[in-house]
Amino acid sequence: DQQVKQNSPSLSVQEGRISILNCDYTNSMFDYFLWYKKYPAEGPTFLISISSIKDKNEDGRFTVFLNKSAKHLSLHIVPSQPGDSAVYFCAAASNTGKLIFGQGTTLQVKP
Amino acid sequence: NAGVTQTPKFRVLKTGQSMTLLCAQDMNHEYMYWYRQDPGMGLRLIHYSVGEGTTAKGEVPDGYNVSRLKKQNFLLGLESAAPSQTSVYFCASSYLGSNSPLHFGNGTRLTVT
Repeated sequence: DQQVKQNSPSLSVQEGRISILNCDYTNSMFDYFLWYKKYPAEGPTFLISISSIKDKNEDGRFTVFLNKSAKHLSLHIVPSQPGDSAVYFCAAASNTGKLIFGQGTTLQVKP
Repeated sequence: NAGVTQTPKFRVLKTGQSMTLLCAQDMNHEYMYWYRQDPGMGLRLIHYSVGEGTTAKGEVPDGYNVSRLKKQNFLLGLESAAPSQTSVYFCASSYLGSNSPLHFGNGTRLTVT
């Protein structure tokens, strides 16, 4: 029973264009959401987060949008750069202390 | 500051053997986590700890045990390894729990033959 789902295993975009990564969740108790980025042979690194009391959070080229009614969040990267090529994981947290991850989306940004 | 350090980096086990994976953090974090990463499955939570002396089950705890005797260390044990436990294991820590960013180690690649 996957509580956090990333339905697109991969995404390819051209350098300079927008990358949109999507994530859906099923548990309405989740109240904090995060995106992590992972390069091969390294651990994931934190990218950006959003609390359930907000619907948007922006940090430089990265923006996360949260639609609570649809239980959906998305990560926008504008403009995309070749160095953004990595696996992106969304994650959701509740007050139990658990952090549940999605399956990941591999982003390839072509020069 | 080393952050989160996992040892060993690689290990090959035979079915039925046991081993312990060690995670150490030097950031004085209260919360620590063990995840496994498998193709198409993402990161799945095995066990976690909300403080020294505490442990709790995650999504896939069967076949694993953990201990948090010291705040800075979180050990993951496999008592009788199975091929299904072939995976990359990641340890993470955070200061305020799941509502704050996790800091991950670089992983341990385990193969069970």
